[in-house]
Amino acid sequence: GIQVEQSPPDLILQEGANSTLRCNFSDSVNNLQWFHQNPWGQLINLFYIPSGTKQNGRLSATTVATERYSLLYISSSQTTDSGVYFCAVEGGAAGNKLTFGGGTRVLVKP
Amino acid sequence: NAGVMQNPRHLVRRRGQEARLRCSPMKGHSHVYWYRQLPEEGLKFMVYLQKENIIDESGMPKERFSAEFPKEGPSILRIQQVVRGDSAAYFCASSLDREQQTQYFGPGTRLLVL
Repeated sequence: GIQVEQSPPDLILQEGANSTLRCNFSDSVNNLQWFHQNPWGQLINLFYIPSGTKQNGRLSATTVATERYSLLYISSSQTTDSGVYFCAVEGGAAGNKLTFGGGTRVLVKP
Repeated sequence: NAGVMQNPRHLVRRRGQEARLRCSPMKGHSHVYWYRQLPEEGLKFMVYLQKENIIDESGMPKERFSAEFPKEGPSILRIQQVVRGDSAAYFCASSLDREQQTQYFGPGTRLLVL
């Protein structure tokens, strides 16, 4: 099946810093989503971005489908950005199911 | 417009008991997905259902686990004779249609097997 790898696995930031999270995938995709899992365990949709670039406030994402990767940018990080960021893809022969990466655990220190 | 709803949010069971997890998709959504998240791991697909049909159950354990999405009412994930290894967070997601659609996730049910 399709493989999804995220890097880095862990990230510690000082409040106000910028960061880039990466998601590599092994096959063509029909769907790519970024999620934030907050410390209470809730999964929050950030972006639906199978290709192109989107921005939402301090967050933006870019997917280069032909090169099989996606990037999530966090600018001016805040302590509320802490949590785990997951990339998930639907594609290849996998049908409608999302395959999740292992996540990037982000800690933003005040 | 309510999001995906799951209940209960927390469930404690003793080994050998049954666990029933419920999921009500977003209004107008007819596609439901169940995922499991083991402690300190990412989410793994279990099953994809439409009303009265199981479309893909390739991620479901072969025994003790079943899922349904009846014509009326919520989708149910049922785990019979639970074991400690079933302790996990179970997330439900829904989408509007099959093709290239965002999946929206519920808050999850955290199952603890004693």
